[in-house]
Amino acid sequence: DQQVKQNSPSLSVQEGRISILNCDYTNSMFDYFLWYKKYPAEGPTFLISISSIKDKNEDGRFTVFLNKSAKHLSLHIVPSQPGDSAVYFCAAIMVGGSEKLVFGKGTKLTVNP
Amino acid sequence: KAGVTQTPRYLIKTRGQQVTLSCSPISGHRSVSWYQQTPGQGLQFLFEYFSETQRNKGNFPGRFSGRQFSNSRSEMNVSTLELGDSALYLCASSLETGQETQYFGPGTRLLVL
Repeated sequence: DQQVKQNSPSLSVQEGRISILNCDYTNSMFDYFLWYKKYPAEGPTFLISISSIKDKNEDGRFTVFLNKSAKHLSLHIVPSQPGDSAVYFCAAIMVGGSEKLVFGKGTKLTVNP
Repeated sequence: KAGVTQTPRYLIKTRGQQVTLSCSPISGHRSVSWYQQTPGQGLQFLFEYFSETQRNKGNFPGRFSGRQFSNSRSEMNVSTLELGDSALYLCASSLETGQETQYFGPGTRLLVL
């Protein structure tokens, strides 16, 4: 049973446009969500996170939106750059609990020049 | 601070052999988690160690085991290797267990022939 789902395995956008990566979760006990970015042959790197007490968190070109009622979060990248091309993983956790970080399967973003 | 380091970076083994992978967390981090990444399954949690104790375990067979030393360094062992064990094995560290933000190493790419 997949608790964190990224239903789009890939996404392709033009440079300068907005990239929207989506993530759904099923466990209502999750209270912290993270996005990681992964280049080939490297480990994932932390990108941005959001607590369940917020519905939006912004960091430069990256904004994460959380819709708790829909159990849905999204990562917006504006404007998209070719260097953003990578696999993006959504992850969720119950902070302070003994649960581990649960990852989605990832979405491969390609930003075309 | 130095990041998470993993050795070796690449490994080729044959079926039936066993393998040991090593992970050194960021200095001061006490929690180490291991993940398996395959193209079809994304990032799957193997286990987490904290203060030399296994805190969490994913749904992997007993052939996968690990341990953590007093200096927080961790090793992962896979016995009786199978072709399906070919994957990127990632180690991540965090300050404490249950911490939301984990810092990943570059991974060890294991190929089983």
